[in-house]
Amino acid sequence: AQSVTQLDSHVSVSEGTPVLLRCNYSSSYSPSLFWYVQHPNKGLQLLLKYTSAATLVKGINGFEAEFKKSETSFHLTKPSAHMSDAAEYFCVDRRAGRRALTFGSGTRLQVQP
Amino acid sequence: ETGVTQTPRHLVMGMTNKKSLKCEQHLGHNAMYWYKQSAKKPLELMFVYNFKEQTENNSVPSRFSPECPNSSHLFLHLHTLQPEDSALYLCASSPPETATGNEQFFGPGTRLTVL
Repeated sequence: AQSVTQLDSHVSVSEGTPVLLRCNYSSSYSPSLFWYVQHPNKGLQLLLKYTSAATLVKGINGFEAEFKKSETSFHLTKPSAHMSDAAEYFCVDRRAGRRALTFGSGTRLQVQP
Repeated sequence: ETGVTQTPRHLVMGMTNKKSLKCEQHLGHNAMYWYKQSAKKPLELMFVYNFKEQTENNSVPSRFSPECPNSSHLFLHLHTLQPEDSALYLCASSPPETATGNEQFFGPGTRLTVL
């Protein structure tokens, strides 16, 4: 069973408006959680990671995510979208004791001018 | 640039060909990974190597044969592939295990097309 679920396959926002990309994780263990971004024809780049040190995690390019145990969520947000944010975003978890990552199905973010 | 390089970036091969994908990391990491990214499917882990030893094989068909001669290099040897094996193959590396979650660094991928 997939351990992370991305609730939206596509999200479209206007430039300058907030971004919300939703992710829920399986509650059966304490995960390490990540958000990665993939621009067209590029590899995956780490945006941010949660490792239980702080529930609000700040990443690169103005993105942040909040770990909410009560909701088993790790949603990615950004106050103001830029055109360059258009890409595919992956919520990822890593179980304790395993090196391998488990990827969500991805959310494609479109930014309209 | 993430410090992980992959060659070739694009590869077209017939079902009877034999080819190899190469991955190299310049980060001093000790673990390396192969992932497959197909259209409309989540990224799938294929293999994990830790200090040159294979520690995970995610039920990958034997027509895919990995090789890790040292901690900096990882190969994926391909033979008698099927058209459904067409995908983006991503290599990643990560540093030694730590108490907190350590991220993986990904290469740009090899876009493979099997005719």
